[in-house]
Amino acid sequence: GAVVSQHPSRVICKSGTSVKIECRSLDFQATTMFWYRQFPKQSLMLMATSNEGSKATYEQGVEKDKFLINHASLTLSTLTVTSAHPEDSSFYICSARDLWTPGGEQYFGPGTRLTVT
Amino acid sequence: AQSVTQPDIHITVSEGASLELRCNYSYGATPYLFWYVQSPGQGLQLLLKYFSGDTLVQGIKGFEAEFKRSQSSFNLRKPSVHWSDAAEYFCAGQTGANNLFFGTGTRLTVIP
Repeated sequence: GAVVSQHPSRVICKSGTSVKIECRSLDFQATTMFWYRQFPKQSLMLMATSNEGSKATYEQGVEKDKFLINHASLTLSTLTVTSAHPEDSSFYICSARDLWTPGGEQYFGPGTRLTVT
Repeated sequence: AQSVTQPDIHITVSEGASLELRCNYSYGATPYLFWYVQSPGQGLQLLLKYFSGDTLVQGIKGFEAEFKRSQSSFNLRKPSVHWSDAAEYFCAGQTGANNLFFGTGTRLTVIP
């Protein structure tokens, strides 16, 4: 149980275009979803936290107009990278949490590799 | 400020040797503590977690970790490392329903 999927696993896009990444909780209801960014050989950096039906909370330094997050249902959150540039190339990982689970453990998706050319 | 520190950036061990990866935390209260493993290009897999109770926690793949409040540590151990254990390991902390704080990771190389 507690499986989180991400789609796509890899995406290449041209500079200036937008890319949408989906994060789904397959067998539980995710009251909260998180989006992380990971640069090569570095740790995960939290970008934003989204609660179902409300606006996402962005971490300091993350442009909310560039990284649009939508958490429209208890099983789906999307991250849209708008007007992507090469510096946005990174590994994006989502996680989902069911607050009704003791400890509120996060379950991680497999990640999405974004390359902007 | 809440933080998790992994002092070792890279560790190399021989296959069959024992392993210990260090993790120290700095929190106002005892956090929930986690160890995750990440293979290249993959997401994170939870190895084990500590919430409360028994300070020696058993995880998957033969890993264990011991919570030591006096040392603010939660070190990960494995008695005999396999080549397939080569990966990046992340320690993370969380207080209540708050967000996870990740350490910078330790890369494990296993040599034959």
